[in-house]
Amino acid sequence: DIQMTQSPASLSASLEEIVTITCKASQGIDDYLSWYQQKPGKSPQLLIYDAASLADGVPSRFSGSRSGSQYSLKISRPQVDDSGIYYCLQSYSTPWTFGGGTKLELK
Amino acid sequence: QVQMKETGPGLVQTTQTLSVTCTVSGFSLASDGVHWVRQAPGKGLEWMGVIWGDGNTNYNSALRSRLTISRDVSKSQVFLTVNSLQADDTAVYYCAGAVLLRYWFFDLWGPGTMVTVSS
Repeated sequence: DIQMTQSPASLSASLEEIVTITCKASQGIDDYLSWYQQKPGKSPQLLIYDAASLADGVPSRFSGSRSGSQYSLKISRPQVDDSGIYYCLQSYSTPWTFGGGTKLELK
Repeated sequence: QVQMKETGPGLVQTTQTLSVTCTVSGFSLASDGVHWVRQAPGKGLEWMGVIWGDGNTNYNSALRSRLTISRDVSKSQVFLTVNSLQADDTAVYYCAGAVLLRYWFFDLWGPGTMVTVSS
């Protein structure tokens, strides 16, 4: 099974910062990597697909990138509404696997 | 309108069998697959398995011995069955739809159904 190591597990950021969340794949997954945001009591919502493509309706302050086997989600000047838990997902091979999640708090 | 919705029993006894139904609308199960993802309270997301449009299935290796995913295309329903339940099967169970553009990703989720396993 492919392991997705996501970091950090939690972070607190100000509205002026650039927030970066990373996922490292245990083996090559090409760009079969997507990012999701989950709010309490809600289903996950797609942010980024194909490692770097912005989903419809997602603000442009969100971006995704890849460097080798490491994938990053960046939030530039986050808003208070960006608080929540973020997950990466590899869909290169079954079983699909999620990263452990990153809880983002905005201060 | 493209939608998915899970229906589950709410409370199930340990050692019993869980059955959850995902009812979809706006697309055909004959061409599109449905995945199951669960989330234990306060924990992360766990991919459980998938039934593809051609009817083939793949399962999480950790759950394979207890898990069955099936469907009724005519009723637009997908069924998740988990045997030999234990307390750590307590979770919100989601069905989700994935799309392949260049690569796969989830573009549709149901609201989830909470299942509590208790003795």
